Amino acid sequence: DAGITQSPRHKVTETGTPVTLRCHQTENHRYMYWYRQDPGHGLRLIHYSYGVKDTDKGEVSDGYSVSRSKTEDFLLTLESATSSQTSVYFCAISDSSSYNEQFFGPGTRLTVL
Amino acid sequence: SQQGEEDPQALSIQEGENATMNCSYKTSINNLQWYRQNSGRGLVHLILIRSNEREKHSGRLRVTLDTSKKSSSLLITASRAADTASYFCATDNYGQNFVFGPGTRLSVLP
Repeated sequence: DAGITQSPRHKVTETGTPVTLRCHQTENHRYMYWYRQDPGHGLRLIHYSYGVKDTDKGEVSDGYSVSRSKTEDFLLTLESATSSQTSVYFCAISDSSSYNEQFFGPGTRLTVL
Repeated sequence: SQQGEEDPQALSIQEGENATMNCSYKTSINNLQWYRQNSGRGLVHLILIRSNEREKHSGRLRVTLDTSKKSSSLLITASRAADTASYFCATDNYGQNFVFGPGTRLSVLP
């Protein structure tokens, strides 16, 4: 895998608790993305970032917020986790918004009870 | 709504056979990419084809793109057990970020 790590790799939490997932890259890529993967839906974009402090919403952003204070770190926060947010979350990075492949992290499996 | 839809949802073949997966999309695209995902892992990029290209090869992979039919196909020749994975197409809709389809699960039996 390209230099992308996600933490934690697994997390079980309860409904209503805040959760923060971290994506860290060592590639100095400008673009970073958060996706969720659910059976039958493929990957759906939650939020993305095109630079430090520059973020935008994706297809399924409700209930999620993000922050990027450094090039290498992109945080995804669930302010108050719900059972519908049980999913596998993937971070991806890219050198460009287009014509370039995205490199994916190993994923975080989140279970909200 | 999903831009890309892979077909079939699941495919099972014998080692050495060819595997063909299709992807259909709805709106004009800038480019289309194929990714592979092994169980429990992140996605790995396989190949990118631009909207003005019709065919592209990479090793045992052959991708075609028909923009008039809004469809793409991925052919894996002489499949191996190690090709067992899920395959996703992702479309780039002119800067609106990639949209992934639900994927095709390929099983290659030894």
